[in-house]
Amino acid sequence: EDQVTQSPEALRLQEGESSSLNCSYTVSGLRGLFWYRQDPGKGPEFLFTLYSAGEEKEKERLKATLTKKESFLHITAPKPEDSATYLCAVLWWGGGNKLTFGTGTQLKVEL
Amino acid sequence: DVKVTQSSRYLVKRTGEKVFLECVQDMDHENMFWYRQDPGLGLRLIYFSYDVKMKEKGDIPEGYSVSREKKERFSLILESASTNQTSMYLCASRHEYVSLDTEAFFGQGTRLTVV
Repeated sequence: EDQVTQSPEALRLQEGESSSLNCSYTVSGLRGLFWYRQDPGKGPEFLFTLYSAGEEKEKERLKATLTKKESFLHITAPKPEDSATYLCAVLWWGGGNKLTFGTGTQLKVEL
Repeated sequence: DVKVTQSSRYLVKRTGEKVFLECVQDMDHENMFWYRQDPGLGLRLIYFSYDVKMKEKGDIPEGYSVSREKKERFSLILESASTNQTSMYLCASRHEYVSLDTEAFFGQGTRLTVV
């Protein structure tokens, strides 16, 4: 049973075309939800941590939000340099100290 | 700046060889992790360590072992490499705060090919 599910698997946007990526989770007792960006051939790079429902975090064109069952990563007016795979991961009370990852959303932003 | 360093970016090994992947962190983190990443499967946890000489199996430990003799270093060992262990291997570390759950920091990855 998947504990973290990301959708869509892949997303192609035109430059300036805003959209959202989804991360839904089924674990109970969430301790934290983490968003990462990963460029091809590199390790994931940390973006945001969200701890409780209703929380929001922003960084440049990215905004992450959290509800009791899912998180969204909103991308406003994306640029080609935003092209990457976006990963979400959860830490929860039944999972010890390990992050459990979704399979990611591969985003491509075209001119 | 936080730094997690993996010893190799690319590695090619023969079937049956014993392979060592090394990871060093300079942040005095208690927790260290080894993941492998495959297309369509995401990051899967192989082993993790929460202290020196302490280790726990992750979701896919078969065919792997680990060693943590010093706090800053966490090694992944493939006892007898097989072609199905061809993958991207990622090391991560994370601090253990009492009242705050913080992010993990990743190394740059090791692309291992077993031929």
